[in-house]
Amino acid sequence: DTEVTQTPKHLVMGMTNKKSLKCEQHMGHRAMYWYKQKAKKPPELMFVYSYEKLSINESVPSRFSPECPNSSLLNLHLHALQPEDSALYLCASSQVNLVSYNEQFFGPGTRLTVL
Amino acid sequence: GQQLNQSPQSMFIQEGEDVSMNCTSSSIFNTWLWYKQDPGEGPVLLIALYKAGELTSNGRLTAQFGITRKDSFLNISASIPSDVGIYFCAGLETSGSRLTFGEGTQLTVNP
Repeated sequence: DTEVTQTPKHLVMGMTNKKSLKCEQHMGHRAMYWYKQKAKKPPELMFVYSYEKLSINESVPSRFSPECPNSSLLNLHLHALQPEDSALYLCASSQVNLVSYNEQFFGPGTRLTVL
Repeated sequence: GQQLNQSPQSMFIQEGEDVSMNCTSSSIFNTWLWYKQDPGEGPVLLIALYKAGELTSNGRLTAQFGITRKDSFLNISASIPSDVGIYFCAGLETSGSRLTFGEGTQLTVNP
């Protein structure tokens, strides 16, 4: 299984809503990532989890809250978002050996629209 | 921070033509990756390069890791309509999890 899955595929939410994005991988990877991507731009790193611990937070606003319940799952909790947060949210995973990280595999993304 | 210069920004070619794109960096990378992204989908890994000088093929795709470890190119031979998309290069540092992405090359193939 070389797949990263993400749900939902599309999400429309109001600025007062609370929603969650989910990501799952069964490749045995111990690093998982959240990215935000605007149209025709490269992905921008938001968070990195390594061995289920948050290792990087790229100064992301607190209205985005990541969670890694176990080595296969990664969630992104959303609350009080702004319209400018509308984007494609990508999850990725990679193998890691101590401090050596391998290539990242991306999921299909969640297209988020904030009204 | 590190930056990758990817060129060209866009290409318009006829079906059957060969394509070449490249990335250069001011810093050394341990691994070079090439991804393709279709509209509304996540990037798909095409080729991963791990050693300076390495030349790797994946079907009609060929990529090379530059000797200086500061550059890489991707060639696509005999392009077909399904090659349309955005191609991103990405560099991975020796130690650390951050990928540095190029700005992408938008490829259009006219049948």
